[in-house]
Amino acid sequence: GAGVSQSPRYKVAKRGQDVALRCDPISGHVSLFWYQQALGQGPEFLTYFQNEAQLDKSGLPSDRFFAERPEGSVSTLKIQRTQQEDSAVYLCASSLWRDSNTGELFFGEGSRLTVL
Amino acid sequence: GDSVTQMEGPVTLSEEAFLTINCTYTATGYPSLFWYVQYPGEGLQLLLKATKADDKGSNKGFEATYRKETTSFHLEKGSVQVSDSAVYFCALSVTSYGKLTFGQGTILTVHP
Repeated sequence: GAGVSQSPRYKVAKRGQDVALRCDPISGHVSLFWYQQALGQGPEFLTYFQNEAQLDKSGLPSDRFFAERPEGSVSTLKIQRTQQEDSAVYLCASSLWRDSNTGELFFGEGSRLTVL
Repeated sequence: GDSVTQMEGPVTLSEEAFLTINCTYTATGYPSLFWYVQYPGEGLQLLLKATKADDKGSNKGFEATYRKETTSFHLEKGSVQVSDSAVYFCALSVTSYGKLTFGQGTILTVHP
């Protein structure tokens, strides 16, 4: 596709339910990031993939959060036993470059999760 | 740890006014610095960047200069337009793979 695609765009979950959020990065992009953005705040880093390898998961807030990218393209962020504090917009971003802190990240529009 | 602090908003200006959004940072090492913008209904997109001290990033009439001595990267535009209304995020990266640390964002509204 032309850009980073995320689904669903909106998700309402009852507390305790499991949710899965999908990200389709730009074709050929090596790097993939997940961020969490609370209302009125900047995005906070969750995890980073280089192809299928999860190289940095230092931002995952608890062991209820799990991410995968098994074939090095599509990624899924899974949140188990959702809590109200998990309500946020989850952003996915991809980048062509593997080893560069000067490259541009391309962001999707995000998946807005509301936990009741 | 690494952090970015932006001036608090929201900022409301009339068309053709001068814009400054302040950004300061704390980082270990030598970060690259970025401004990202989020227009209504769209995803974050890169506005400009600077990778070393004294570099100036520029795009769409916006400019920001990497000031190591004051650890700042203030965003400026000489004459804003209604179409510049958006949320602006300052960010830094110190990792080799481009992991970003963002500020809290500044909402800009420009009136005709």
